Amino acid sequence: RKEVEQDPGPFNVPEGATVAFNCTYSNSASQSFFWYRQDCRKEPKLLMSVYSSGNEDGRFTAQLNRASQYISLLIRDSKLSDSATYLCVVRPPFSGGYNKLIFGAGTRLAVHP
Amino acid sequence: EAQVTQNPRYLITVTGKKLTVTCSQNMNHEYMSWYRQDPGLGLRQIYYSMNVEVTDKGDVPEGYKVSRKEKRNFPLILESPSPNQTSLYFCASSKSNEKLFFGSGTQLSVL
Repeated sequence: RKEVEQDPGPFNVPEGATVAFNCTYSNSASQSFFWYRQDCRKEPKLLMSVYSSGNEDGRFTAQLNRASQYISLLIRDSKLSDSATYLCVVRPPFSGGYNKLIFGAGTRLAVHP
Repeated sequence: EAQVTQNPRYLITVTGKKLTVTCSQNMNHEYMSWYRQDPGLGLRQIYYSMNVEVTDKGDVPEGYKVSRKEKRNFPLILESPSPNQTSLYFCASSKSNEKLFFGSGTQLSVL
């Protein structure tokens, strides 16, 4: 079983739609969670961290469910510019004081007019 | 401008011909790392460095070398590249457990 699993998609949605991605992680003791965005063949960029209480940044909402070991990303009012691959990222426990991160393979979103 | 600079952006080479991909950051970050990205797989860590002269293997280190002689530079060396090292490579840096900054990537093809 992969440490971080995501549905690869693609999710094809019209502009203005609401879309949600889930991601599951295998290590229940994982410490921190993030969503990164990656445009085609470009470098990943941090979209948002995911906090236990859930958090929102504009049209984006991230939630963590520790009991079921998944995190989610909700995008409201999708824009064409949201088309990208969204990477679920988890920091495992006992990272030894360095920035060890485990990346999911990503979920591709395509927003069309 | 704070950035991670990676070169070259594209590289085509032949099996066995030694190559180096350079990575430099201007943010005085202690932590630097190399990843490779292949279709259907997440970014996988090759090597990382917690500071000057401190390097360690990541999850897929075979066939790669690194060095950290200066804080800003962290080159990735392929002594004898093979076709299974054809991949998209990213260098990244950060302060401790903070946000990762990535370079723009190097698409390597080994023929």
